[in-house]
Amino acid sequence: AQSVTQLGSHVSVSEGALVLLRCNYSSSVPPYLFWYVQYPNQGLQLLLKYTTGATLVKGINGFEAEFKKSETSFHLTKPSAHMSDAAEYFCAVSRGGYQKVTFGTGTKLQVIP
Amino acid sequence: GAGVSQSPSNKVTEKGKDVELRCDPISGHTALYWYRQRLGQGLEFLIYFQGNSAPDKSGLPSDRFSAERTGESVSTLTIQRTQQEDSAVYLCASSFPGAMNTGELFFGEGSRLTVL
Repeated sequence: AQSVTQLGSHVSVSEGALVLLRCNYSSSVPPYLFWYVQYPNQGLQLLLKYTTGATLVKGINGFEAEFKKSETSFHLTKPSAHMSDAAEYFCAVSRGGYQKVTFGTGTKLQVIP
Repeated sequence: GAGVSQSPSNKVTEKGKDVELRCDPISGHTALYWYRQRLGQGLEFLIYFQGNSAPDKSGLPSDRFSAERTGESVSTLTIQRTQQEDSAVYLCASSFPGAMNTGELFFGEGSRLTVL
């Protein structure tokens, strides 16, 4: 079985500050990992993904995440928060193929001017 | 189509009525998912289709909920005798076939259901 834990349902940062959203996973096989973003009243869109290869993954809007197998983590970071980053962020894990995707409970990011 | 299409985008119904929500996935995507998102909550898995079969429907909350998929394309989620707690946004997502599938999902905009 696979699972995802997102620490902190709400995170607030000041504009220009570092954004760090935490995600830990459990999986019996090497996973595929994802971060999705959901803006108000919209569906989810892919922010970035790790499948194989380089463990530091860069995504859209200046976000990046690092796959750390030893820590079973895939934390999302952005050096400098922008007001437009206010949204809900979901971490997800999959084993690919015919296996379903499991989502974390989400983290709402608030950016304070 | 170019993206995942869901209809209706908004549905208001009275308690006890049946509703049907439709999802049209990206052409060629054999995997299709339904999720429920209550106001202020995360994603709640409902059912997963691979082709026309549903290997995992463990998330359907009660026997009032059912889903079907025909021709490896359109899927319909049906909620019978709706209750107020069914009010939520129902999200559909699709992904690439089997061996090509890394698990990346492509989401529709959702169907917002309000039960009065």
